Amino acid sequence: DIVLTQSPATLSLSPGERATLSCRATQSVSSYLAWYQQKPGQAPRLLIYDASNRATGIPARFSGSGSGTDFTLTISSLEPEDFAVYYCQQRSNWPPLITFGQGTRLDIK
Amino acid sequence: QVQLVESGGGVVQPGGSLRLSCAASGFTFSTSAMHWVRQAPGGGLDWVAFIWFDGSDRYYADSVKGRFTISRDNSKNTLYLQMNSLRSEDTGVYYCAKGGGYRALYFQYWGQGTLVIVSS
Repeated sequence: DIVLTQSPATLSLSPGERATLSCRATQSVSSYLAWYQQKPGQAPRLLIYDASNRATGIPARFSGSGSGTDFTLTISSLEPEDFAVYYCQQRSNWPPLITFGQGTRLDIK
Repeated sequence: QVQLVESGGGVVQPGGSLRLSCAASGFTFSTSAMHWVRQAPGGGLDWVAFIWFDGSDRYYADSVKGRFTISRDNSKNTLYLQMNSLRSEDTGVYYCAKGGGYRALYFQYWGQGTLVIVSS
């Protein structure tokens, strides 16, 4: 199975700062990677799919990049509502073998 | 707007069974692939099962294969997860999610989840 490792585990930043979250795969996933945001007590929300495409309604301050085994989620200028846990997810080719990273917690400094 | 509402969670003893439901609205359910994803208490996300829009293809995580069955009733806009031989490690919040992207293998929209506790 493809294992996704996210770093750092916790990131402490202030509103207005730039956040850079990393996701590394144990083998190439091409561009088949997504990012999700989850706030306490809520379901996750799709932010980015296919490594760099923003989902419907996602603000432009969220961007994704990377391919192969190394991916990055960047939040250009943090808003108070951005402090949450972020997960990456890969989807293999058919048949589906879907795995998530362990998450990065983005805390207010 | 898209709504996914899960139900059927509860407390069950190890070895027991439970059937979860997910009522969908706000999109064309009958042409949408669907998933179940779970989250252990304080833990990360874990994909459970996938069903193609017409039920013709179903896939499962190794951890639930042979014990869980995903199904759907397009006439009722409802997704199901039959869970048998439950174990303590199956405890968590179970989300249904609409598939998105190529081959619907991303999770485009999520319900609010239903809690399953497996405990004696």
